[in-house]
Amino acid sequence: DAGITQSPRHKVTETGTPVTLRCHQTENHRYMYWYRQDPGHGLRLIHYSYGVKDTDKGEVSDGYSVSRSKTEDFLLTLESATSSQTSVYFCAISSDPFYGYTFGSGTRLTVV
Amino acid sequence: GIQVEQSPPDLILQEGANSTLRCNFSDSVNNLQWFHQNPWGQLINLFYIPSGTKQNGRLSATTVATERYSLLYISSSQTTDSGVYFCAVGRTGNQFYFGTGTSLTVIP
Repeated sequence: DAGITQSPRHKVTETGTPVTLRCHQTENHRYMYWYRQDPGHGLRLIHYSYGVKDTDKGEVSDGYSVSRSKTEDFLLTLESATSSQTSVYFCAISSDPFYGYTFGSGTRLTVV
Repeated sequence: GIQVEQSPPDLILQEGANSTLRCNFSDSVNNLQWFHQNPWGQLINLFYIPSGTKQNGRLSATTVATERYSLLYISSSQTTDSGVYFCAVGRTGNQFYFGTGTSLTVIP
């Protein structure tokens, strides 16, 4: 497809446990993003990366951390999952953010 | 952040009808994109349009940046056009603010 894969596609986890979501791309794009989608809020940016080891916070970064040790992988970690982090998480990639994004298929995370 | 309002929130059309979706934003932007989320959840980029007009088949978009709004036109709608349409704006390329979307249902 567009060369972006998210894993896992679905996950159920317990409150207080750490969770890591993976975004993998084969496009060699510089920019990678993590968004969450919730009813009534549209999509909100959590963190983004503009290169290996270069990351920055987005609108809703509290409770999340990210890492990018190589171009193709961008990891999102929920340090101690809470029920408010139940959401659908989307990764996106871009070679130039002024010309468009490509989104992954999403990860549906449920925290019980 | 930038506030983004989309209207209408819901729209039901008969196949073949035309529609106009609107996106208003609260501040000056230099990046504006329209996305379509299909009923299976996949998000597709439709247009990068910080100003001016673009057309792609039955879809076209116009942004009037000085008046802080953008319009997405869908002509001769088809059932495959169903889904949610999002407008996203930003001042930089990396921080996008999304609206809450217009949910479109096209009935055969």
